[in-house]
Amino acid sequence: KQEVTQIPAALSVPEGENLVLNCSFTDSAIYNLQWFRQDPGKGLTSLLLIQSSQREQTSGRLNASLDKSSGRSTLYIAASQPGDSATYLCAVNTGTASKLTFGTGTRLQVTL
Amino acid sequence: TAGITQAPTSQILAAGRSMTLRCTQDMRHNAMYWYRQDLGLGLRLIHYSNTAGTTGKGEVPDGYSVSRANTDDFPLTLASAVPSQTSVYFCATSSGGLGEQFFGPGTRLTVL
Repeated sequence: KQEVTQIPAALSVPEGENLVLNCSFTDSAIYNLQWFRQDPGKGLTSLLLIQSSQREQTSGRLNASLDKSSGRSTLYIAASQPGDSATYLCAVNTGTASKLTFGTGTRLQVTL
Repeated sequence: TAGITQAPTSQILAAGRSMTLRCTQDMRHNAMYWYRQDLGLGLRLIHYSNTAGTTGKGEVPDGYSVSRANTDDFPLTLASAVPSQTSVYFCATSSGGLGEQFFGPGTRLTVL
């Protein structure tokens, strides 16, 4: 059974700092991995999708990497801003029943 | 563009009553999904549909049913609600089973 772990569960950084969020998964047989952000009381916003054949994807200040063989992905956020404060979720798609298996998230707070 | 709409936004329901959560999309995506989000458990797939006319069971399907009469709508029905179905329910879509998933704003359901 696929399990997805995100460490740390919570993180507080000062504005302007670069940071890395971690995601690990137990079964490397994935089709893709997706990073989301979720604001309190809101839905999930898709940030980046990495296909299993890709090593990284970039969108603005965000860069996600994927090392499928070791079961790891990282989300790098450059020059963090208070507006980046949210919970970040990673999810892997193993193709089974079209299911995304989610981690429980990292709650990020960027302070002034 | 509305994207994905869900109704109601929130609901308090007496145990034993039935309820249908509505999800409508305007993106013409083939695949649609229902997830529930619970504190400490993350998001889990309830049911999915890869295309109009077909549905499948996810990780936690018991007590829920779905139908997919057309491309745009994917209602989730609770036939006889129980307190353990108290949760936040998210509808999601993707262009295909392995594509990027997009989420609606959610329905917060409380069963008393």
